[in-house]
Amino acid sequence: SQQGEEDPQALSIQEGENATMNCSYKTSINNLQWYRQNSGRGLVHLILIRSNEREKHSGRLRVTLDTSKKSSSLLITASRAADTASYFCATAYNTNAGKSTFGDGTTLTVKP
Amino acid sequence: EAQVTQNPRYLITVTGKKLTVTCSQNMNHEYMSWYRQDPGLGLRQIYYSMNVEVTDKGDVPEGYKVSRKEKRNFPLILESPSPNQTSLYFCASSPFPPGLFNTGELFFGEGSRLTVL
Repeated sequence: SQQGEEDPQALSIQEGENATMNCSYKTSINNLQWYRQNSGRGLVHLILIRSNEREKHSGRLRVTLDTSKKSSSLLITASRAADTASYFCATAYNTNAGKSTFGDGTTLTVKP
Repeated sequence: EAQVTQNPRYLITVTGKKLTVTCSQNMNHEYMSWYRQDPGLGLRQIYYSMNVEVTDKGDVPEGYKVSRKEKRNFPLILESPSPNQTSLYFCASSPFPPGLFNTGELFFGEGSRLTVL
């Protein structure tokens, strides 16, 4: 079964607003990564947060991780139309380093 | 240019006709993996390879085979395709496995859209 579940499934906002998407997982992880996918294309890595980290920033992206709640959130600030894409979280484990499990994704639409 | 290359990008085939989707990376990555993406189901891992000659099953390996004879190539083989294997397939590579050293950023190919009639 899929490890990660994301919500919302779809999010529509105006340019300049912030977008927040959430990811929940079921078992202990080594790290959690966020990826972006433009309409049917390959995924692009955005940011990785380790299990011993609580927050990480990269440009307009802010990721938080709460291991007690087994959840993570991705915040995109001051969104742009070019941020329109699907966003996926992926979890990795130290018990089986080769496995990675993706969530179902959040589709973000940013209206100009 | 550093990249993961998949071929073919699009393929329509018929049930039972063996096919291979090739994947090649030019970044000298140890780790490679195959995923399938279906609407509403996100990406599901089919097989992965930690290194040459080392492969292991992911979450949905049934109906697929892989091999890793060289570091750069990781082909996905469908011996007898069926309509439920109609999907968008992605190959990915990484310097290290995702759960090791916390540096497991995956680099993805552009995808191979397969239709089995």
